[in-house]
Amino acid sequence: EIVLTQSPTTMAASPGEKVTLNCLASSSVSYMNWYQQKSGASPKLWIYGTSNLASGVPNRFSGSGSGTSYSLTISSMEAEDVATYYCLQLSSYPPTFGSGTKLEIK
Amino acid sequence: QVQLQQSGAELAKPGSSVKISCKASGYTFTSYYISWIKQTTGQGLEYIGYINTGSGGTNYNEKFKGKATLTVDKSSSTAFMQLSSLTPDDSAVYYCASITTEGDYYVMDAWGQGASVTVSS
Repeated sequence: EIVLTQSPTTMAASPGEKVTLNCLASSSVSYMNWYQQKSGASPKLWIYGTSNLASGVPNRFSGSGSGTSYSLTISSMEAEDVATYYCLQLSSYPPTFGSGTKLEIK
Repeated sequence: QVQLQQSGAELAKPGSSVKISCKASGYTFTSYYISWIKQTTGQGLEYIGYINTGSGGTNYNEKFKGKATLTVDKSSSTAFMQLSSLTPDDSAVYYCASITTEGDYYVMDAWGQGASVTVSS
């Protein structure tokens, strides 16, 4: 199965700061989906098909990447962005998730 | 809109089984497959498998073969997952999620609220 490695594991950003979260796949995948999970809640689809924002996601978020390297970027950190973000690949069965990046605010 | 309502928390003894339900509403049940996902603090999110809600056909992650059994009841728009021969390692929050497509991409966009399973003697 494809292993997804996310970095960093945890990070803290100041309001207004640009944030980049990374997801490295052990083999090439066609696209990446990203999920946001807040404490005590279910994961929410955040980005699909590498760069498409899910409904309701603020446009300060963006996604990019190809092959084995993908990233999620927040152009300007806000308090409401505090959450854990997971990448998910659906190109190869079984689907696999990254271990998550916990994003905190300074 | 698609909504998935899962059954409540379960406390089970080692060696026993539990059956979690996932009731769908807001759409035609057989339009989307249902996936099941396990979440633990230690192992993170793990994909268990999916069920074709129309035919009942299943595809399991090899890791969960023999542990999880997925079924559906079309008459009640409900998907089920039975976990058998429980051990403490099965303690987790289990989610159901619908699988759809957005353009060329598969997505798991609607998720249930999660069902906590605790295995303890």
